[in-house]
Amino acid sequence: AQKVTQAQTEISVVEKEDVTLDCVYETRDTTYYLFWYKQPPSGELVFLIRRNSFDEQNEISGRYSWNFQKSTSSFNFTITASQVVDSAVYFCALSGAHSGAGSYQLTFGKGTKLSVIP
Amino acid sequence: DAGVIQSPRHEVTEMGQEVTLRCKPISGHDYLFWYRQTMMRGLELLIYFNNNVPIDDSGMPEDRFSAKMPNASFSTLKIQPSEPRDSAVYFCASSAPGHYGYTFGSGTRLTVV
Repeated sequence: AQKVTQAQTEISVVEKEDVTLDCVYETRDTTYYLFWYKQPPSGELVFLIRRNSFDEQNEISGRYSWNFQKSTSSFNFTITASQVVDSAVYFCALSGAHSGAGSYQLTFGKGTKLSVIP
Repeated sequence: DAGVIQSPRHEVTEMGQEVTLRCKPISGHDYLFWYRQTMMRGLELLIYFNNNVPIDDSGMPEDRFSAKMPNASFSTLKIQPSEPRDSAVYFCASSAPGHYGYTFGSGTRLTVV
């Protein structure tokens, strides 16, 4: 069974602070994919990043960066110099690579609500 | 591309009524997923299809829920009869061959009173 744990339920930061959102996952698959989604107050789910299990390189996209550590089964997300527009719920998710039942779908964590205070 | 299109955006219905939610996936995507989001349970998978065939419906809560995908461009999720505990946001998502990620629709907010 797959499981994603986001231990931080809510985080508040002051604008321009850096913030890291934690994600720990469990899977028996040797090949899998990790994702981060953003859900702003408007409610849609916005794709941020996809990572496969063979690529442990960290990734940076503007103010966003992701740290994937297979040894600790973690895929953490850092926002540098946070802005009010970053306020949202952020979901970490996991899927297997196989198309069989129980593996291919996204398993989501419970989400971390980030509030950036001006 | 118009993305994944869901309708209606909002639905308010009375307990006991039938509710039908609709989804049009992105053209060329061969996987379609239905998720439900509630405060208590978060985002949970209800069912998913591959090439219009249901692959895993173990997340469908009970027989009151049914889903169909008659063709590659349309899927429905039906609740009959609806109950207040079905109130949630229902998301549809589709995925392309090669597993390059999932695109979600805007969701349908269902309120059963």
